[in-house]
Amino acid sequence: EAGVAQSPRYKIIEKRQSVAFWCNPISGHATLYWYQQILGQGPKLLIQFQNNGVVDDSQLPKDRFSAERLKGVDSTLKIQPAKLEDSAVYLCASSPYPGVEETQYFGPGTRLLVL
Amino acid sequence: SQQGEEDPQALSIQEGENATMNCSYKTSINNLQWYRQNSGRGLVHLILIRSNEREKHSGRLRVTLDTSKKSSSLLITASRAADTASYFCAPHPYGNNRLAFGKGNQVVVIP
Repeated sequence: EAGVAQSPRYKIIEKRQSVAFWCNPISGHATLYWYQQILGQGPKLLIQFQNNGVVDDSQLPKDRFSAERLKGVDSTLKIQPAKLEDSAVYLCASSPYPGVEETQYFGPGTRLLVL
Repeated sequence: SQQGEEDPQALSIQEGENATMNCSYKTSINNLQWYRQNSGRGLVHLILIRSNEREKHSGRLRVTLDTSKKSSSLLITASRAADTASYFCAPHPYGNNRLAFGKGNQVVVIP
């Protein structure tokens, strides 16, 4: 089966610019996650969707980050305006069903550099 | 903190040797998962161990869980160069929907 797709793979922007990332989860997976992984650290959950509803966005910096999953399939994550500390890899993951024993399938990530 | 904390943070071994890494956490958990991340394949799920399980095997991987000590270990037997990667433990805290990834163990297997 096809894996989680993300684009772009790399993005370089200047601070205060805006940027958007796209994710297409594995077909049929109801749950979608966006993570931020700063160099040398583990992934940090930004937002979790169940179909097109938000389950957890408690760690999303809502003053500058937004995400949507309008049709319950693919999703976009936007940063506006970007700050230097937003430089990181943005990972999208999906899982087939909700619950405590979910296995998450990760995409290749988008590497963002903010100058 | 709910996140896992791996130890050692970096490990270098010869091909064929075993690699052991540990993870500690601070809250009650539903389960604990281990993931591997390398440049070629991204972040990949390795194994999940439930809170009522003490040991689990998958191929060359062996995971143990001691909930009384709030710790887990991952053993890779007969390591290969392809095992070079960062390994993350991710406790799934009880009553929480969120995996709490640690900073990871960086393992280098020297051919």
